[in-house]
Amino acid sequence: QNVVTQEPSFSVSPGGTVTLTCGLTSGSVSTGNYASWYQQTAGRAPRTLIYSTNIRSSGVPDRFSGSLLGSQAALTITGAQADDECDYYCALYLTGGIVVFGGGTKLTVL
Amino acid sequence: QLQLQESGPGVVKPSETLSLTCSVSGDSVRSSIYYWGWIRQSPGKGLEWIGSMYYSGYSLYNPSLKSRVTISVDTSRNEFSLKLNSVSAADTAVYYCARHEKGEQRDHFDSWGQGTLVTVSS
Repeated sequence: QNVVTQEPSFSVSPGGTVTLTCGLTSGSVSTGNYASWYQQTAGRAPRTLIYSTNIRSSGVPDRFSGSLLGSQAALTITGAQADDECDYYCALYLTGGIVVFGGGTKLTVL
Repeated sequence: QLQLQESGPGVVKPSETLSLTCSVSGDSVRSSIYYWGWIRQSPGKGLEWIGSMYYSGYSLYNPSLKSRVTISVDTSRNEFSLKLNSVSAADTAVYYCARHEKGEQRDHFDSWGQGTLVTVSS
């Protein structure tokens, strides 16, 4: 069974740039996995940031961008702000139409 | 503006069936490009997709939960529902309903309910 991998935690300085990644335990992520990224603040529902690898959802600032980086999907945050400190989840579309979320990355801004 | 609202019991006894409903406003569950899905999050853990259904009845389920899950859509009430049977403490989680866009070159959840905590306890 293919598992979606994410860094458990990451830190970035205020104003800095950070790239979070999303991979597969078996194989490479491609555009056909339609990678999506979700931001979740403690106690709140997730918010959709990016879909189809690199399309920003409505209202999402252009500080957030998605891409493929080698064999993984990536979420890059530029000009990190204090309220970017939260959890980030990726999701991938896999064979058979199933969706698998990664374990999430806890981002610290300090 | 699309709004999704989960409702259902906050406590379910072990071995019984968890039942939740998601009321949809601002869109129709008969929409041609959207599925309607459920995602859960155990305390302190990550997100887990449970399944999604198209209004015609076509459904997709997480293989690890498929034997216990049923999702249904009620077009007359513009809502969809989740049933998870034979629950145990491991099913204690916040359950989210979401609109699932599955179309040409896309597959993602574009709108989420606020979530509802379901605790499995006797």
